Amino acid sequence: NAGVTQTPKFQVLKTGQSMTLQCAQDMNHEYMSWYRQDPGMGLRLIHYSVGAGITDQGEVPNGYNVSRSTTEDFPLRLLSAAPSQTSVYFCASSYSRGGSASDTQYFGPGTRLTVL
Amino acid sequence: QQPVQSPQAVILREGEDAVINCSSSKALYSVHWYRQKHGEAPIFLMILLKGGEQKGHDKISASFNEKKQQSSLYLTASQLSYSGTYFCGVTSGGSNYKLTFGKGTLLTVNP
Repeated sequence: NAGVTQTPKFQVLKTGQSMTLQCAQDMNHEYMSWYRQDPGMGLRLIHYSVGAGITDQGEVPNGYNVSRSTTEDFPLRLLSAAPSQTSVYFCASSYSRGGSASDTQYFGPGTRLTVL
Repeated sequence: QQPVQSPQAVILREGEDAVINCSSSKALYSVHWYRQKHGEAPIFLMILLKGGEQKGHDKISASFNEKKQQSSLYLTASQLSYSGTYFCGVTSGGSNYKLTFGKGTLLTVNP
């Protein structure tokens, strides 16, 4: 298994540009999430999905869109990039909702995004 | 609302013990602990569910006090490989998958 994969690893955008961060998992996990990590702020939840066709907002959803058409893929779209969206973005997946003692959330390697 | 972790940073010598605390203003359903090395993705350590259980593997263990809405991570006889940033993540309901992380505790273990 490849686990959770993210592309690209690095990206530089200009203000106003749009792009999609890709995330895929091959573990047949229902639950997938997107986080952003900024220095001193920890990991903040952007959007999450509890299954194909079902998504919901996290703590910091503004400026981001998601969709979940398949179990495997959970792309994150930046509609009009802003310098405040410069961050490291992590995608994560887990088998279930975090209510089981065996739940483990697996993180992808991250995408380092800079918006100029 | 983010859980509060303390201390923000701690420096140890190899073999010493450390405790990292995580507290929330909300009633907690589960607490997750992760470790992240610089430039890498967070790695899952353990999850604790409400009920006040204590878990552990090797020399890292954790407790969860549901009434106090807090959890503590215990690292005993620290090793150089324990260095990194430790995050607690919490959920506040069995049907709520929103995992909210604290800001992290930077642990440095020196020889």
